[in-house]
Amino acid sequence: DIQMTQSPSSLSASVGDRVNITCRASRNIGRFLNWYQQKLGTAPNVLIYAASNLRSAVPSRFSGSGSGTDFTLTISSLQPEDFATYYCQQSYTTPYTFGLGTKVEIK
Amino acid sequence: DVQLVESGGGLVQPGRSLRLSCTGSGFMFGDYVMNWFRQTPTMGLEWLGFIRNKAYGGAIDLAPSVEDRFSISRDDSKNVAYLQLSSLRADDTAVYYCARTSYDTSTGYHTAYFDFWGQGTPVTVSS
Repeated sequence: DIQMTQSPSSLSASVGDRVNITCRASRNIGRFLNWYQQKLGTAPNVLIYAASNLRSAVPSRFSGSGSGTDFTLTISSLQPEDFATYYCQQSYTTPYTFGLGTKVEIK
Repeated sequence: DVQLVESGGGLVQPGRSLRLSCTGSGFMFGDYVMNWFRQTPTMGLEWLGFIRNKAYGGAIDLAPSVEDRFSISRDDSKNVAYLQLSSLRADDTAVYYCARTSYDTSTGYHTAYFDFWGQGTPVTVSS
């Protein structure tokens, strides 16, 4: 299985801060990488697919970059509604695998 | 609007079986690959498997961790996908989700991602 390692596992930030979350794959996955946001008690919601494509209706403050083994999710200016847990997920091959998540908390 | 609703979860004894359902609406259910996942605080999000649409023969791909105990089926006439769980163990306790696969081809490849999810159904395995 391809292992997905996210860092940090949690972070505290203030509204307006720029936030970067990184995800590393255990082997080359090209751009087969998606990012999800999950709020407490709800299902994950895809933000970014194919490494850098913003899903429609997702705010432009979210962006994704990277290819191969190293990827980044950036929130350019953190908003109150962005406090949640973020997951990366590879769709290069089955079994599809997720990172363990990054919890973004209010400072 | 696209909607997925899981049902069938609950409390079940170890060793028993359970069938979860995922009912879709607001889209052409039969055209889509349907997936099952589970989530626990300790193990995080785990993809369990998918069932392809009829155009691809309804083929099934299951995660090795569950392929000997779980199976997936679908009934497109009812817009339902099923996850059959058997020989349940305490560590199968989780919230189970279904989700639809969409594909992006902007990179020249078909990148799968999960664009709509159900609300989840909890399964507790305990005596």
